[in-house]
Amino acid sequence: QKEVEQNSGPLSVPEGAIASLNCTYSDRGSQSFFWYRQYSGKSPELIMSIYSNGDKEDGRFTAQLNKASQYVSLLIRDSQPSDSATYLCAGGLPNAGGTSYGKLTFGQGTILTVHP
Amino acid sequence: ETGVTQTPRHLVMGMTNKKSLKCEQHLGHNAMYWYKQSAKKPLELMFVYSLEERVENNSVPSRFSPECPNSSHLFLHLHTLQPEDSALYLCASSHREGALYSPLHFGNGTRLTVT
Repeated sequence: QKEVEQNSGPLSVPEGAIASLNCTYSDRGSQSFFWYRQYSGKSPELIMSIYSNGDKEDGRFTAQLNKASQYVSLLIRDSQPSDSATYLCAGGLPNAGGTSYGKLTFGQGTILTVHP
Repeated sequence: ETGVTQTPRHLVMGMTNKKSLKCEQHLGHNAMYWYKQSAKKPLELMFVYSLEERVENNSVPSRFSPECPNSSHLFLHLHTLQPEDSALYLCASSHREGALYSPLHFGNGTRLTVT
């Protein structure tokens, strides 16, 4: 079973619509969750982090976390063509060795296309 | 502009060559990472250095050899690679303390092709 799983898509939405990206994780010990955006040929860049149940909003982006269902989502409102990219979900587990370093596990990414 | 700089951006090497990838971060972080990104696969963690000490080696073949001389620099030495090692190699950094909650900052990566 994949530790962090995403629908690889591609997900296609019209400009101005809401894009909904979903992610599930298998380890209930996961404590932190991140959404990264990766444009083609570029490196991942952080767009949202979430640590507790509920919603977290930042501009057009809303991250949602449901630990009971082991589910993380990212909503992009008023989608723009510039949002077209691969979105990576990552979950953080405490290091079993007891150090402060945590292990970040990535999903395979969801390709989002926003068409005019 | 990224606070994590990787060189070279592209590298083509034969299976018998020895080469090194370099990473430098200017963010004051004290943890550095090497990730491998292959097509249609999740990012794979290779190595983690925390305060210049290797704290994770994720079952990586010995043909990959990391080096972290200080908290700002990270190298990945490559020798006798295989064609399946062709991928994008990403360096990242973060704060060590509370690393679980400290996001990773990635460099632009080195696109490696092994012929």
